[in-house]
Amino acid sequence: DVKVTQSSRYLVKRTGEKVFLECVQDMDHENMFWYRQDPGLGLRLIYFSYDVKMKEKGDIPEGYSVSREKKERFSLILESASTNQTSMYLCASRPLTGGASEAFFGQGTRLTVV
Amino acid sequence: AQSVSQHNHHVILSEAASLELGCNYSYGGTVNLFWYVQYPGQHLQLLLKYFSGDPLVKGIKGFEAEFIKSKFSFNLRKPSVQWSDTAEYFCAVNGNYQLIWGAGTKLIIKP
Repeated sequence: DVKVTQSSRYLVKRTGEKVFLECVQDMDHENMFWYRQDPGLGLRLIYFSYDVKMKEKGDIPEGYSVSREKKERFSLILESASTNQTSMYLCASRPLTGGASEAFFGQGTRLTVV
Repeated sequence: AQSVSQHNHHVILSEAASLELGCNYSYGGTVNLFWYVQYPGQHLQLLLKYFSGDPLVKGIKGFEAEFIKSKFSFNLRKPSVQWSDTAEYFCAVNGNYQLIWGAGTKLIIKP
């Protein structure tokens, strides 16, 4: 059974804290993604990575950074958490086999910044 | 610009009613289209996808979708919904690396 695993289901952090969200996939996929999901806005892409140590900004990268030191692991970093970053964060992976390939998602991390 | 539009943000139906959720896309390249479903408390999972051939695609749990190229549409249908279909449904079209997502439709089925 293929898996994308996010390290935490729920997190509560204080404003100004540095926050790390971890994601691991066991499918040897080249592409990995971080999204945030907010009601009525669908999935908005924060960053993605198409290879180890490679990263590309998505639609809403401000306030975030990412790290991909190993193929299976993609980390999202909130440099200084703010209340407007309270959201559901979704990690996904996808093989590098063209546009028809399916994306696989983790369970999500619900982050609350207080 | 590439985009996906889902017409209804919330849909409420009774069990056994027929369902159609609208999805329109704007994309200039070869089109691959997806419907994903997110059941309460669960991860997003693929419902069905279109990549070529027969424009009528059948997915899991009795869902189907029809790709109509001339209308830039990929509507999701189910002839008779069940209470267990309560979920949020997302339409997506392929981009260069990532998928481009619609805003989602929350479907509530009244028992």
